[in-house]
Amino acid sequence: LAKTTQPISMDSYEGQEVNITCSHNNIATNDYITWYQQFPSQGPRFIIQGYKTKVTNEVASLFIPADRKSSTLSLPRVSLSDTAVYYCLVANDYKLSFGAGTTVTVRA
Amino acid sequence: ETGVTQTPRHLVMGMTNKKSLKCEQHLGHNAMYWYKQSAKKPLELMFVYSLEERVENNSVPSRFSPECPNSSHLFLHLHTLQPEDSALYLCASSQATGLGQPQHFGDGTRLSIL
Repeated sequence: LAKTTQPISMDSYEGQEVNITCSHNNIATNDYITWYQQFPSQGPRFIIQGYKTKVTNEVASLFIPADRKSSTLSLPRVSLSDTAVYYCLVANDYKLSFGAGTTVTVRA
Repeated sequence: ETGVTQTPRHLVMGMTNKKSLKCEQHLGHNAMYWYKQSAKKPLELMFVYSLEERVENNSVPSRFSPECPNSSHLFLHLHTLQPEDSALYLCASSQATGLGQPQHFGDGTRLSIL
């Protein structure tokens, strides 16, 4: 399993853009990068997945440089309800290693 | 609504009781998973089923017994649990087990062992 490193916590304010960078130096050729969001007492929610370059959906963007050794999740114009733990995972099968994630706190 | 429903949401049981956790997915997926999330700890993968066949048993104690009668349903049978088994138990499903397929999680069963 590729090891990932992401900040323990980040603070932001409503309306700002939040960027969370995840480092995965030993990513394998067939690994995908996936981000999940988790609120207290709920299961993780799939946010976005990518292999290379940029992926965008209705809630986030994922930027992956050419060497794929890192990735950045971008949350545009966050609101209080975006306060959660965000996990970066790298895998090519079902064996997901969630780690501690990044606790994002959005303040009014 | 995630398409994965877990029941009950909360369960309190004594160490000598026998109970079962139920998971149902409405996504047409072929793989299902059980995870354990203890306080202040990362999620731990417990069991994996693909097309109703168990493909992973992550050194889980025998007091936890999974059952997958069909691709939409997954059970976790519990007996003679220990206090350290108190945790949030999460069920997930995915289209398949390969290629980093995104997993869709239920909201879990909060289990407390007295």
